[in-house]
Amino acid sequence: GNSVTQMEGPVTLSEEAFLTINCTYTATGYPSLFWYVQYPGEGLQLLLKATKADDKGSNKGFEATYRKETTSFHLEKGSVQVSDSAVYFCALHSGAGSYQLTFGKGTKLSVIP
Amino acid sequence: SAVISQKPSRDICQRGTSLTIQCQVDSQVTMMFWYRQQPGQSLTLIATANQGSEATYESGFVIDKFPISRPNLTFSTLTVSNMSPEDSSIYLCSVDRPRAEAFFGQGTRLTVV
Repeated sequence: GNSVTQMEGPVTLSEEAFLTINCTYTATGYPSLFWYVQYPGEGLQLLLKATKADDKGSNKGFEATYRKETTSFHLEKGSVQVSDSAVYFCALHSGAGSYQLTFGKGTKLSVIP
Repeated sequence: SAVISQKPSRDICQRGTSLTIQCQVDSQVTMMFWYRQQPGQSLTLIATANQGSEATYESGFVIDKFPISRPNLTFSTLTVSNMSPEDSSIYLCSVDRPRAEAFFGQGTRLTVV
């Protein structure tokens, strides 16, 4: 079956630090990959996505590249801000006609001034 | 894209009672999904609701505890029945399409006392 493994949190960084949150996956077929963000007290929002190998998703300074050879989709940002404090979820959508998303456990990021 | 309105946004309920959560989408969708997010955890799919048929429940979730209605292509309800403190979670409805991103409601934060 499908699965997503995300690095354990919580992660605490100083403002302007570099962020990497690791995500690896197992899936049948050719999945689409996503990063969702959940700000405190809110629902999930799509942060970025990639639908095929070597695609790079980017949004709000965050980037992630779909690496089929390493089955990875690591999230990066060069300079984090306090407003980036949130929980980040890696997810996949199987390409085998499935509608269901498979989520990682989430990584809580806290950015301190 | 899709805009999803979910209500109530939060509630505090007595054990043994039931709560019905409503999810309204601004466009017609085939599938709607209900997730549970327990404190500090990732999202767990409860069931998939397809209009005109019975919902499909994931392992560990049963219709008697989480009855779902799907009367049309833009609306669904999830009822949490005979609640106990272990049911305290965030409940989220979602819509998505194959190889596309999912859209989430804001969630219902349920506390059972």
